[in-house]
Amino acid sequence: KAGVTQTPRYLIKTRGQQVTLSCSPISGHRSVSWYQQTPGQGLQFLFEYFSETQRNKGNFPGRFSGRQFSNSRSEMNVSTLELGDSALYLCASSPDNEQFFGPGTRLTVL
Amino acid sequence: GIQVEQSPPDLILQEGANSTLRCNFSDSVNNLQWFHQNPWGQLINLFYIPSGTKQNGRLSATTVATERYSLLYISSSQTTDSGVYFCAVEDGGTSYGKLTFGQGTILTVHP
Repeated sequence: KAGVTQTPRYLIKTRGQQVTLSCSPISGHRSVSWYQQTPGQGLQFLFEYFSETQRNKGNFPGRFSGRQFSNSRSEMNVSTLELGDSALYLCASSPDNEQFFGPGTRLTVL
Repeated sequence: GIQVEQSPPDLILQEGANSTLRCNFSDSVNNLQWFHQNPWGQLINLFYIPSGTKQNGRLSATTVATERYSLLYISSSQTTDSGVYFCAVEDGGTSYGKLTFGQGTILTVHP
């Protein structure tokens, strides 16, 4: 089975712009979770989707949003980018409890 | 929310040495996973181990759920074992898909 894929792998944006990141889960996995990793805060949970419904959300401002499509692919969007949004964004898919991670999207905000 | 503490924060070994990494958590868990983060940032699954003991080659893990800790053992370490090791848990409530990560253990193996 193909693993979790994320696109793009690298992204450079400027403050105030918005960005959309994409995640394709492992075939058959219906749950997709998103995480942000920064040197200062470590790995933090953003949100989780299952069958197109957001079931859980972390402590991030409303500028961070996401959605899931009927084929389980997920996107996350960050609007009005700030310098502090520079991070590695990881998504994970799960068939039940165990999560499998993609390679991540490294976002740099200038 | 649930707290996860990993120790030690840093570990330096000579090739061939054995090591034990510890993960303490503050509440009951549905899920506990160990990951190795490679230099490119991808989290590689090592173990899914909410309880019990598992072994995979030179690596093994034990979780004692009643005492709220997990241990990752690395035997005969190799330079390729270098990197950051994370423990992550999902608490026993309605934390759908939410893993809480420890701060990681940075392992450096010298030849």
